[in-house]
Amino acid sequence: GEDVEQSLFLSVREGDSSVINCTYTDSSSTYLYWYKQEPGAGLQLLTYIFSNMDMKQDQRLTVLLNKKDKHLSLRIADTQTGDSAIYFCAESIWGYQKVTFGIGTKLQVIP
Amino acid sequence: IAGITQAPTSQILAAGRRMTLRCTQDMRHNAMYWYRQDLGLGLRLIHYSNTAGTTGKGEVPDGYSVSRANTDDFPLTLASAVPSQTSVYFCASSDAGLGGADTQYFGPGTRLTVL
Repeated sequence: GEDVEQSLFLSVREGDSSVINCTYTDSSSTYLYWYKQEPGAGLQLLTYIFSNMDMKQDQRLTVLLNKKDKHLSLRIADTQTGDSAIYFCAESIWGYQKVTFGIGTKLQVIP
Repeated sequence: IAGITQAPTSQILAAGRRMTLRCTQDMRHNAMYWYRQDLGLGLRLIHYSNTAGTTGKGEVPDGYSVSRANTDDFPLTLASAVPSQTSVYFCASSDAGLGGADTQYFGPGTRLTVL
């Protein structure tokens, strides 16, 4: 079955880069996602990557996918206090309308 | 455009009472979902609906029921609430179809406390 794992907590200083890591178990995964949850709010999609890609960049966000190791990472450049949130890794499989979420990584940005 | 709305925002409920959490989307998405979020457990899927008129069980369906009479509404009912159902409940919708990226749009959540 599908399983998505993430570390629980990451603390960085404002202006540094943040790297949030995720591993998944299902090699059939087609799309991999990063969602952001701010306090008291629902999840919001940040970005996603198709499984035949290695990297995707969108402004301060860089997603790296290592299919061999089933490892996904989200790098946030020049981390700001507004980036403090919980970040969820998720996966879905082609043909199935089901998304499996990780437990979420809480990012704390220290001014 | 409101996107996806949930009601109530929060609720305190006595054990044994019946409760319906409401969810409405105005994006005409075919699929809708109910998740619960608990500390240390992340998001867990309760029930889902791929299209109006159909529903399915997720990872933790016991004690919950849903209906999907039309595209926009997807209520979640707790027939007889128990304290273990204390959680934050999120409704979500998506319009992936088969084979596309399943981008899910989340509501703001309902914080439910069962005493």
